[in-house]
Amino acid sequence: GAGVSQSPSNKVTEKGKDVELRCDPISGHTALYWYRQSLGQGLEFLIYFQGNSAPDKSGLPSDRFSAERTGGSVSTLTIQRTQQEDSAVYLCASSLQRDQPQHFGDGTRLSIL
Amino acid sequence: QKEVEQNSGPLSVPEGAIASLNCTYSDRGSQSFFWYRQYSGKSPELIMSIYSNGDKEDGRFTAQLNKASQYVSLLIRDSQPSDSATYLCAGGAGKSTFGDGTTLTVKP
Repeated sequence: GAGVSQSPSNKVTEKGKDVELRCDPISGHTALYWYRQSLGQGLEFLIYFQGNSAPDKSGLPSDRFSAERTGGSVSTLTIQRTQQEDSAVYLCASSLQRDQPQHFGDGTRLSIL
Repeated sequence: QKEVEQNSGPLSVPEGAIASLNCTYSDRGSQSFFWYRQYSGKSPELIMSIYSNGDKEDGRFTAQLNKASQYVSLLIRDSQPSDSATYLCAGGAGKSTFGDGTTLTVKP
């Protein structure tokens, strides 16, 4: 079956531009996570959606970052006024329930020039 | 203190040896634990889930959970060069928290 799909796979943009990253989770998965991973580093938690509950935004590094999940399915992570330190791989994962294993997409590699 | 801590690496073992990866967690309410493998340039992939005290075996992999001591471990028997990767431990009560990972190198 289809796994977690992320788009675009690569994104290069100029400093100061806004970017949108998309995640299409596995059908039926109620939980969706966004992470950021810089080169050689661990996973940095950004935001977590669980069903219709209010999202856990505790990992968002600044108010330039926001995310939404429409209809309990597709999610979009938006970074406004991008900075060079935003360059990283952004990973999305989904799980059937909150305490179930997460399945990761291939990520979006974001490069800010 | 981080919610999930992994033993500092990197870890290097010869081919055919047993690799032991350890993880401790701080939330006593944690119920589910996972081990992921991440190859360089790739996304993490699930290799083991464990929910109950004791051992769980899957091929060359054995996960061990000790809730009283709040640790989780992963043993890889007959290590192969293809096992060289970063191993991530995750656990929690509800939303899983990831450790920083331990990089394993298996030398031929």
